[in-house]
Amino acid sequence: GQQVMQIPQYQHVQEGEDFTTYCNSSTTLSNIQWYKQRPGGHPVFLIQLVKSGEVKKQKRLTFQFGEAKKNSSLHITATQTTDVGTYFCAYQAGTALIFGKGTTLSVSS
Amino acid sequence: DGGITQSPKYLFRKEGQNVTLSCEQNLNHDAMYWYRQDPGQGLRLIYYSQIVNDFQKGDIAEGYSVSREKKESFPLTVTSAQKNPTAFYLCASSSSGVTTDTQYFGPGTRLTVL
Repeated sequence: GQQVMQIPQYQHVQEGEDFTTYCNSSTTLSNIQWYKQRPGGHPVFLIQLVKSGEVKKQKRLTFQFGEAKKNSSLHITATQTTDVGTYFCAYQAGTALIFGKGTTLSVSS
Repeated sequence: DGGITQSPKYLFRKEGQNVTLSCEQNLNHDAMYWYRQDPGQGLRLIYYSQIVNDFQKGDIAEGYSVSREKKESFPLTVTSAQKNPTAFYLCASSSSGVTTDTQYFGPGTRLTVL
């Protein structure tokens, strides 16, 4: 089925550096959700974006939904070691949620 | 997350044996889902159910079976027909399964077939 492409697959940063992951689709999405999975854990919902051009912030995290609703990004300002994990975007396809392959972030102090 | 239980956390089985993974939720959610996660592959949908006594195949249903006899429970059976069953299995639920619903995940079961 249709997939969203997440880039990069892996990212390593020094603590305090910024981080961005991108989620790209070839077709228009009705909405996009973001989840975070800590190492050894399970995915936890972060946010949902629905509107074209929407921007939402959660403390150091900024989420954007593209104007054409074909791409989304998650930006973390001044990363901390608690930010490590895999970040997934997911979109609704009918009644199912389709996940990207994720971006795994590692942070060194 | 809270309200969804999966047991056991780790499960070992011999090749050729069927195994059933449990998933229970007390969130009063209508919809439940099973995903498989392999390293570097993200989450792939196996089966989902929007209502009791009804379920649909996801992208990788072959070699798996499910039942939904109760709203709270959605067990997954990994059959001997599944070619590569070793993986991390995640169960999730959502309020109604419609667009915009958030999914809540259980802690997962890591299955190893020897």
